[in-house]
Amino acid sequence: RKEVEQDPGPFNVPEGATVAFNCTYSNSASQSFFWYRQDCRKEPKLLMSVYSSGNEDGRFTAQLNRASQYISLLIRDSKLSDSATYLCVVIPNTGFQKLVFGTGTRLLVSP
Amino acid sequence: EPEVTQTPSHQVTQMGQEVILRCVPISNHLYFYWYRQILGQKVEFLVSFYNNEISEKSEIFDDQFSVERPDGSNFTLKIRSTKLEDSAMYFCASSNRGGRDTQYFGPGTRLTVL
Repeated sequence: RKEVEQDPGPFNVPEGATVAFNCTYSNSASQSFFWYRQDCRKEPKLLMSVYSSGNEDGRFTAQLNRASQYISLLIRDSKLSDSATYLCVVIPNTGFQKLVFGTGTRLLVSP
Repeated sequence: EPEVTQTPSHQVTQMGQEVILRCVPISNHLYFYWYRQILGQKVEFLVSFYNNEISEKSEIFDDQFSVERPDGSNFTLKIRSTKLEDSAMYFCASSNRGGRDTQYFGPGTRLTVL
């Protein structure tokens, strides 16, 4: 089983739509979770950390379900500029800094 | 805003040649990392570096790879004898503290091995 699994998409949505991505992770000892965004041929950039209680940053909401070992990202009111690949990222062990990336979910927002 | 920089942006080399990829991490950061991304695939961890030594490395990071912090600002990745399968985007990252502290990525060096 892959350490971090994501649906590669693409998800094609119109502007203003709400879209949700899920991600599952295999290591139940994982402690830290993130969503990164990657534009074509660019570096990954942190979008938001994911906390057990769930957290929101503007139009973006992240949720963590430890029992089911999945993480979600909800984007409301999609903008054209949201078109990118969204990477689910996990730090599998405490005390280390190795980021484990999923393959990413591609989002295309159209006018 | 401080940023991680990498040079060169694109490196083309012949199989069997040595390459050195250079990174300047954010100045007050203490933890440094290299990741790679083969075209169309996921980002993969190579190595982390703290206090002038490797703190963790992946199975990809074999004897052909080495890292160095030759001075107070640069962090380098050397590939001793490049293979075709080393062709990838190599990202350097740095963070202030370890653990879940945010890792900031540089723009990457695209390595093409012919």
